[in-house]
Amino acid sequence: DQQVKQNSPSLSVQEGRISILNCDYTNSMFDYFLWYKKYPAEGPTFLISISSIKDKNEDGRFTVFLNKSAKHLSLHIVPSQPGDSAVYFCAAKDGGATNKLIFGTGTLLAVQP
Amino acid sequence: DVKVTQSSRYLVKRTGEKVFLECVQDMDHENMFWYRQDPGLGLRLIYFSYDVKMKEKGDIPEGYSVSREKKERFSLILESASTNQTSMYLCASSRDRLIYTFGSGTRLTVV
Repeated sequence: DQQVKQNSPSLSVQEGRISILNCDYTNSMFDYFLWYKKYPAEGPTFLISISSIKDKNEDGRFTVFLNKSAKHLSLHIVPSQPGDSAVYFCAAKDGGATNKLIFGTGTLLAVQP
Repeated sequence: DVKVTQSSRYLVKRTGEKVFLECVQDMDHENMFWYRQDPGLGLRLIYFSYDVKMKEKGDIPEGYSVSREKKERFSLILESASTNQTSMYLCASSRDRLIYTFGSGTRLTVV
């Protein structure tokens, strides 16, 4: 039972254009949402987060949007750069007793020069 | 620079062997986690620990155990390795249970 879903296994974008990565969730008790980026042969690194009480958070080229009614969040990267090519994991924090992170399946982003 | 260090990058073990994966963090974090990453399945939580000598089962604990005798060290144990435990194993630590610092991972192959 996948509580956090990333339905697109891969995405290819031209350098300079916008990359939009999507994530859907099922649990209304999630109180924080995060995006992590993973390069090959490295562990994931934290990219950006958003609280469930907000609908947008921006950090430089990266913006995360949260639509609670649709249980959907998205990561926008503008402009995309070849160095952004990586696997992106969406994660949600269980606001209950365990406070653990639940990760999605990941989306491989390829930014073409 | 904060670090989570996993003792091995690559391991090859035989079916039935007892396997130890070691993880050490230097950030004085109370919270530590073990995940495995498999294609199409993302990161799945095996075990976690919020304090020394404390451990909690994650979503896929079967076939695994853990040990946390010291705050900085969290060990994952495969009691009797099987081929379906071939995977990338990732250790993480966190101060706030929100932002995790991951190690580089151990790619385990069980033959």
